[in-house]
Amino acid sequence: DQQVKQNSPSLSVQEGRISILNCDYTNSMFDYFLWYKKYPAEGPTFLISISSIKDKNEDGRFTVFLNKSAKHLSLHIVPSQPGDSAVYFCAASETGNQFYFGTGTSLTVIP
Amino acid sequence: ETGVTQTPRHLVMGMTNKKSLKCEQHLGHNAMYWYKQSAKKPLELMFVYNFKEQTENNSVPSRFSPECPNSSHLFLHLHTLQPEDSALYLCASSQDGGFRETQYFGPGTRLLVL
Repeated sequence: DQQVKQNSPSLSVQEGRISILNCDYTNSMFDYFLWYKKYPAEGPTFLISISSIKDKNEDGRFTVFLNKSAKHLSLHIVPSQPGDSAVYFCAASETGNQFYFGTGTSLTVIP
Repeated sequence: ETGVTQTPRHLVMGMTNKKSLKCEQHLGHNAMYWYKQSAKKPLELMFVYNFKEQTENNSVPSRFSPECPNSSHLFLHLHTLQPEDSALYLCASSQDGGFRETQYFGPGTRLLVL
């Protein structure tokens, strides 16, 4: 059974608005989380990370929020730009172990 | 070439064929990974090599055989594959194999087994 789930396969957002991508996990031992971004015909590239000692990490237009009690994390992109259109994967791991990935959410930012 | 490269980008093979996927990283990293992504499924870690030694094998069938001759090159040898092995195969590298390290991915090889 999947330990990391991205329940929205796709999301469309108007340029300039906020994009919110969600990720849920089942393993309470996960303590480190990543978001990757993937353009067509390219490999995933690292975007932002957060460890379980924090509930928020910000990098420019990208902010990741972690709600440990709900086993939920989200990626906020503000403001969204057409170049943000890509597939976004979340991944989670517990100390010393491999990452488990979600199935991805395809974001389309409409100009 | 920079980053992580993979060849071929697309491969069609029959179930009786033998083929190999190649990955090369130009980042000076010491760890390399093979992942599989099937349609509508998450990325699944297959193998990890750290300083040319295999450190992880995620119960991968023996019809997939990895080879890591040096820290810059990683191969995945394929033989007698099944149609359900059709997937995107991604290679990645990281500095020293720590699971918290950022992994740098290649563009992948799209494999179709007929």
